[in-house]
Amino acid sequence: QKEVEQDPGPLSVPEGAIVSLNCTYSNSAFQYFMWYRQYSRKGPELLMYTYSSGNKEDGRFTAQVDKSSKYISLFIRDSQPSDSATYLCAMGDTGRRALTFGSGTRLQVQP
Amino acid sequence: SAVISQKPSRDICQRGTSLTIQCQVDSQVTMMFWYRQQPGQSLTLIATANQGSEATYESGFVIDKFPISRPNLTFSTLTVSNMSPEDSSIYLCSARRGQGNTEAFFGQGTRLTVV
Repeated sequence: QKEVEQDPGPLSVPEGAIVSLNCTYSNSAFQYFMWYRQYSRKGPELLMYTYSSGNKEDGRFTAQVDKSSKYISLFIRDSQPSDSATYLCAMGDTGRRALTFGSGTRLQVQP
Repeated sequence: SAVISQKPSRDICQRGTSLTIQCQVDSQVTMMFWYRQQPGQSLTLIATANQGSEATYESGFVIDKFPISRPNLTFSTLTVSNMSPEDSSIYLCSARRGQGNTEAFFGQGTRLTVV
């Protein structure tokens, strides 16, 4: 079983839709959680970062963490064609130097 | 945040040859990493580049195939040696300022094609 599971998609939604991207994890040691966005032929860029259970909002993006269920989500409101990318969840703990990444979800927002 | 410059951005190489990828960070960082990403796949950690000492390799990756240098806190190189078509992939450099709750930054990647 992988430490981090992420639905690979692809996910196709119409412009303006609310998008929900999800990851589950099995390692209780994970303490901080990130979402990266990766456009085609580019490196991943940090989108959201949180280290506590609950919601964190940044513009159209909301990151949600439920440590008791070992479940994290990224919500995108009013999705735009420019949001079309692969979204990677990532997690870390104090015991490891490298983050652990999910497999990525490919999102396509149709105009 | 940190800006990571990686070069070359892409290359086409003959099998049996070697390619060295350079990674330059615009500020001092504690940790640097090298990842491989197959098309449509997630990131696979190759190794952690340790400043002034041998890199720490993940299972399935060896120093003879992927020698890594990190002479200081802002620069690292990854060499892909004796290349075969199976080495065709995107190679990504990443850095973190410290352990604990710090995010990782990435370079733009090197798209390698071995023919």
